[in-house]
Amino acid sequence: NFMLTQPHSVSESPGQTVTISCTGSSGSIASNYVHWYQQRPGSAPTSVMYENNQRPSGVPARFSGSIDSSSNSASLTISGLKAEDEADYYCQSYDGGNFPVFGGGTQLTVL
Amino acid sequence: EVQLVQSGAEVKEPGESLRISCTGSGYSFSTYWINWVRQMPGQGLEWMGMIDPSDSYTNYNPSFQGHITISVDKSINTAYLQWNSLKASDTAMYYCARRVVPSAHADSWGQGTLVTVPS
Repeated sequence: NFMLTQPHSVSESPGQTVTISCTGSSGSIASNYVHWYQQRPGSAPTSVMYENNQRPSGVPARFSGSIDSSSNSASLTISGLKAEDEADYYCQSYDGGNFPVFGGGTQLTVL
Repeated sequence: EVQLVQSGAEVKEPGESLRISCTGSGYSFSTYWINWVRQMPGQGLEWMGMIDPSDSYTNYNPSFQGHITISVDKSINTAYLQWNSLKASDTAMYYCARRVVPSAHADSWGQGTLVTVPS
């Protein structure tokens, strides 16, 4: 079964830049879109990146997404970290055809 | 404004049945598939299945198939997630989410429905 692996946690200071990785277990991660969701404590997830590198309306330009085929990974980068960015982040792609798969989630702590 | 509003928290006994709902507003409900996603306490997100409201076609995660039923009543813009026999392991938060084409990402989420099944 296709799996997406994320680091369990990352931390960085306010104003700095952090990158969260999402590595595919097999095949080419570039074969399907990767999306990213933010989940603040006690809240429902919200979309912060879709189609690898597209920001939904209302998501600041500090958020960016990319794909690296050489490492079979996707990344979500947040620059100019703010306290409000502290949350869990989940990547999502697809197992073969139309079967969505989520990564295990990364807890971001803004020190 | 696109909104998905889910039914309230439930506490059920093992073996009981349950149906929770997700009502869409602010968009053409039949145009977008609805996903259901499980989040067990302290855990990550798991895709359970989805339904096309236009024709009620469903696609299930094999891990959940046979234990849940996803349905829809497009006349009232509502999707449902149903169990016939709950287990303690069904204790979780359940989210519905609208699926956008062609990328198939979930652009709007419901607020979640907490289901508790004491062991």
